[in-house]
Amino acid sequence: GAVVSQHPSRVICKSGTSVKIECRSLDFQATTMFWYRQFPKQSLMLMATSNEGSKATYEQGVEKDKFLINHASLTLSTLTVTSAHPEDSSFYICSASPVWGYTFGSGTRLTVV
Amino acid sequence: GENVEQHPSTLSVQEGDSAVIKCTYSDSASNYFPWYKQELGKRPQLIIDIRSNVGEKKDQRIAVTLNKTAKHFSLHITETQPEDSAVYFCAAGGDKIIFGKGTRLHILP
Repeated sequence: GAVVSQHPSRVICKSGTSVKIECRSLDFQATTMFWYRQFPKQSLMLMATSNEGSKATYEQGVEKDKFLINHASLTLSTLTVTSAHPEDSSFYICSASPVWGYTFGSGTRLTVV
Repeated sequence: GENVEQHPSTLSVQEGDSAVIKCTYSDSASNYFPWYKQELGKRPQLIIDIRSNVGEKKDQRIAVTLNKTAKHFSLHITETQPEDSAVYFCAAGGDKIIFGKGTRLHILP
């Protein structure tokens, strides 16, 4: 079945540094991928839609200069959290849509210290 | 944009009883309604989904109903078991999906 791989699974970084998270579709091509953020005991909040070869579309209230998205190929999208601060600590999950439905990556637990 | 409301936020049922979780959505253009189960720290797992051209779908103990006119859909779990305890999310959309706030389901022994 359709598989989405996400790395790293966990990352700890210092405040002010940047962190890159990768999302790969392993057995299908994804012209569109999605990035969600989930705080503890809360729902998945859609941050942005990543479009292969063009700019990402950000949801209202999400800072595009802070959460940089690059989708340079049909199988890879990256999310870079720039100048990370403790309030950016969260669970980040990517998703892609094969022919039917949506497939999710395993998530990245980001802790900013 | 789409807005999805989910109720209840917490639900406790006796083992063997049925559980029902309800969601409403705002965008009449939405045509895809999945339900996910999420364990702590894990990715959401699709348990059942329904498209707007269908009113009901069943898979063993799990069923989903959709009322497009009223813009609401529901998850029904029958003969609940301890392993059904988890957080459940509904979602709605098409080109992208928006999640409800989730329901924590407790199955009581």
